[in-house]
Formats: sequence, C-alpha cells, structure tokens
Amino acid sequence: EAAVTQSPRNKVAVTGGKVTLSCNQTNNHNNMYWYRQDTGHGLRLIHYSYGAGSTEKGDIPDGYKASRPSQENFSLILELATPSQTSVYFCASGDAGNTLYFGEGSRLIVV
Amino acid sequence: AQSVTQPDARVTVSEGASLQLRCKYSYSATPYLFWYVQYPRQGLQLLLKYYSGDPVVQGVNSFEAEFSKSNSSFHLQKASVHWSDSAVYFCALIYSNNRIFFGDGTQLVVKP
Repeated sequence: EAAVTQSPRNKVAVTGGKVTLSCNQTNNHNNMYWYRQDTGHGLRLIHYSYGAGSTEKGDIPDGYKASRPSQENFSLILELATPSQTSVYFCASGDAGNTLYFGEGSRLIVV
Repeated sequence: AQSVTQPDARVTVSEGASLQLRCKYSYSATPYLFWYVQYPRQGLQLLLKYYSGDPVVQGVNSFEAEFSKSNSSFHLQKASVHWSDSAVYFCALIYSNNRIFFGDGTQLVVKP
C-alpha cells in the first residue's frame, strides 16, 4: 500500500496554463519535498516543507509555488506553465533520520 | 557549496560479476550520505545510508558502501550482481536544513 501518492500521474498542459501537482502521504512525516527529474540532471529540489503551513524554497524554485495545507498534503503549483517545465516530478516525505520515501512520479508535458 | 559527483553515467557488468559504483562528494561539514535506487517508472528507494561510525555500511539486497573522508568518496559495492539489479543508482548528500542533494545517477546494466 503506497504511502506517498501523487496525482495526476500524467498531465499534458498548454503553455501559460495553470498546473497543480498533488501529493498525499500517510507516513505522518513532518518533512515533504518536491523534486524534478530531467535526463542528465538527476533530481533537483524545487520546494520543501517542515510541516503544515510551511514552505521553503529549494535549489530551483523559480516558476513554482508550493502549498502545505495539512500534514498529509503538499502541492506544487505552476501558475504559468512553460515548455521548460516539461519533466517528471517526484514528491517525497522524509522521516526523522532523513530517509526519503518517494511517490511514483508525475509526468508533465507542457506544449 | 555542496556537490555530489557520480563520474560514470552508465556501467555495464555481467551477471555474477562484482560491482562498484563511484560517488565523490564535496561538503564543508560532516557529510551524511545515501545511496538510492530507481527502477523504471518508479520513485527512488533507499539502499543504505551513512551518518557516522563504521565506514562500511550494509544495505538492502547485499549492497554495501564504504565512506572515505580522505578521498571524499562513498562508493557502492556488491559482490555478485543479478539481472534484477539493473536500475539507476543515485548517491545523495544531506546539506543545510535537512535538504538532500542528489548526484546525476549511474545507470547499471547487468548482462545475462
């Protein structure tokens, strides 16, 4: 039973449109993360959160917003999607030992 | 600034052979290091982690890694690989405020 679930798993968006990627975790972890994965770049941190109501900028936050309304949910928001944001996005929750538990990814194509 | 370098983008080995995947890190403070594995179309899963103590750490599925402060390295090893070990392997480092920085990954191909 997956403890970190992402939706949608696949999304095609138009340039300039708004995209929301959602993440839900049942691990009761305080920390949650959004990464994007591109060929040749590994995973790069976009936003993270220490708990409900908190969001922090990661290494590549430009063009993205995040929202953590509850312990369980952490969303990534692209207000004005661009083709350069075509990627695979991973959400993860982190335990007290800093082990990350990943969702299966959301594949976004911006046309 | 922190960095994690995995110098080999792709490694090919024969089934039953030994394996070493290389990882070099750069970080000014005490490094906390991880190896993760990613199977096709899945998220990453933890193989092992090093915080302190014995520099050789054991992980799942008979993987182990050796931390070397003098060489700034955290190489992943396995004595005998199986075809099911084919995947992408990521070395990672904790840096400020519990953020985790990943290397670019090494794709492992195990030939039958």
